[in-house]
Amino acid sequence: DTEVTQTPKHLVMGMTNKKSLKCEQHMGHRAMYWYKQKAKKPPELMFVYSYEKLSINESVPSRFSPECPNSSLLNLHLHALQPEDSALYLCASSQEGFSGNTIYFGEGSWLTVV
Amino acid sequence: GQSLEQPSEVTAVEGAIVQINCTYQTSGFYGLSWYQQHDGGAPTFLSYNALDGLEETGRFSSFLSRSDSYGYLLLQELQMKDSASYFCAVRSSGNTPLVFGKGTRLSVIA
Repeated sequence: DTEVTQTPKHLVMGMTNKKSLKCEQHMGHRAMYWYKQKAKKPPELMFVYSYEKLSINESVPSRFSPECPNSSLLNLHLHALQPEDSALYLCASSQEGFSGNTIYFGEGSWLTVV
Repeated sequence: GQSLEQPSEVTAVEGAIVQINCTYQTSGFYGLSWYQQHDGGAPTFLSYNALDGLEETGRFSSFLSRSDSYGYLLLQELQMKDSASYFCAVRSSGNTPLVFGKGTRLSVIA
């Protein structure tokens, strides 16, 4: 089972709202990632958790707050977002920490900020 | 820093062969990967090259030349379903995550 599950698939939120994106994998992978992808652009790395610890934060604004409750779950808490934050948010995982070359992506959460 | 260059768009005929090139500049090198992404879908892993040469997986092959900082993805017997974006990606060390190129949009036409 090579599956990363993300919820919700679509989210519309106002600039004053607080919402969360959720991600789950049951492959025993030790690294989990959040990527942001705009239309016709490559995925941009936001955060990496390795062995449940935040290893990389690519200078992401504090209105995005990641959380890794356990080795299978990854959340992205959203607060006071801007319209330019509208994008596809991809969760991913890899087996051997972020040294893995095979990254498994979820189907993504389409976020619209109004 | 790292940078990757790949063509933005490629168009090819169904049944033909197409090659998508990728050149990279990295401070170190820990392998070249390729991912496919259909519109509205998630990127999926296609191949990985750590050493020079050709890796073949069915209709897809990937090539790497480390001395030239160059690789390519070769798609044979193109099918309409191969229309997608293809990203090359590199890691500069064992402790850094993948960095993706800007992607090549492949359109397969009848």
